[in-house]
Amino acid sequence: GAVVSQHPSWVICKSGTSVKIECRSLDFQATTMFWYRQFPKQSLMLMATSNEGSKATYEQGVEKDKFLINHASLTLSTLTVTSAHPEDSSFYICSARDGGRAYEQYFGPGTRLTVT
Amino acid sequence: GNSVTQMEGPVTLSEEAFLTINCTYTATGYPSLFWYVQYPGEGLQLLLKATKADDKGSNKGFEATYRKETTSFHLEKGSVQVSDSAVYFCALRDNYGQNFVFGPGTRLSVLP
Repeated sequence: GAVVSQHPSWVICKSGTSVKIECRSLDFQATTMFWYRQFPKQSLMLMATSNEGSKATYEQGVEKDKFLINHASLTLSTLTVTSAHPEDSSFYICSARDGGRAYEQYFGPGTRLTVT
Repeated sequence: GNSVTQMEGPVTLSEEAFLTINCTYTATGYPSLFWYVQYPGEGLQLLLKATKADDKGSNKGFEATYRKETTSFHLEKGSVQVSDSAVYFCALRDNYGQNFVFGPGTRLSVLP
């Protein structure tokens, strides 16, 4: 089946620094990628939707200047958490939609971010 | 808007017990319905899905039937194992194929 990878799988950073998380579709072209955030023992909340080559669409309440999303190619999207604070500590999960098979969407394994 | 409701957990069962996790949804049109499983420290894995009314999704002994009349998609397994311990998420995706809406998740613990 289709595979979506994320890197890194976990990261610890200091408050005030920026962290970049990569999401890659390994064996298909992803015209659309989604970024979710999951707090401990809670469900996934959609943060933003990105289409290759265009600006991301952010959900209400998500700061676009803090969570920078770049979907530069059909196989790569990045999420950069800028000026991270401890409250940004969370599990970030991406998913990618296969452009060749409409509506099939695959989830990455997630990245755990801890801000100290 | 669209929403998904799941039974509150945690659910604790003994090995070989019967499992039911209730899921109901609210949506316009005819959404596709999914169950995802998340093992500790990992991402989401698709467990099963159904795309239209009366469809039954099944995988690894788990089953769920898309019931439009009751707007439900309850997850069942006849005999759970310790390895089934995880968090289970019910989700829907609308017919426009964009975003998933997830339920709050139900934590299952299976004791030997």
